Amino acid sequence: QQQVKQSPQSLIVQKGGISIINCAYENTAFDYFPWYQQFPGKGPALLIAIRPDVSEKKEGRFTISFNKSAKQFSLHIMDSQPGDSATYFCAASIGFGNEKLTFGTGTRLTIIP
Amino acid sequence: ETGVTQSPTHLIKTRGQQVTLRCSSQSGHNTVSWYQQALGQGPQFIFQYYREEENGRGNFPPRFSGLQFPNYSSELNVNALELDDSALYLCASRTSGERAKNIQYFGAGTRLSVL
Repeated sequence: QQQVKQSPQSLIVQKGGISIINCAYENTAFDYFPWYQQFPGKGPALLIAIRPDVSEKKEGRFTISFNKSAKQFSLHIMDSQPGDSATYFCAASIGFGNEKLTFGTGTRLTIIP
Repeated sequence: ETGVTQSPTHLIKTRGQQVTLRCSSQSGHNTVSWYQQALGQGPQFIFQYYREEENGRGNFPPRFSGLQFPNYSSELNVNALELDDSALYLCASRTSGERAKNIQYFGAGTRLSVL
């Protein structure tokens, strides 16, 4: 059961550009939305997360935008760098601190010079 | 480094066999979760253990079972392997205090191939 839909599947962005990855969810009980970054041969690592009581959260070059009415959230990477090339997963859970995360299918991001 | 080590890194089994995957966490990591990540997919939650007791389970059959030990290591056991069990298996762990920050540390995974 796919409860979190992620797009695009792959993304190529020029260095310095903005990378945008989108996710949509179905379960309105979700109340915690993290993004994970995974490099080849490594496990996912928490990048940034948001609760539905705010519409935007920014940490450095990474910003989450959240639209509760549309049940959508997105990750924006500003000034994208080659080191950002990785697979990104959005996720959702019910309850903060709940490891039972529902992940999206992932976006393979490639930053080209 | 996350301080979470999984072994082995790769494993090949045949259908019907049983497999045990291992995870070693940092001292104090009393919560461990296991995920299955099929090729090209996001991780799927299998189950979680807290202080050696199962504390939540995803949509996986009983042939997936686990153990957590007092030394902060854990195991994932899969019986009667099926071809669809081929995947990367990830464990993730954290301390009780890190629950407030919703941080869990993932290992690099064990790649299981079922032939």
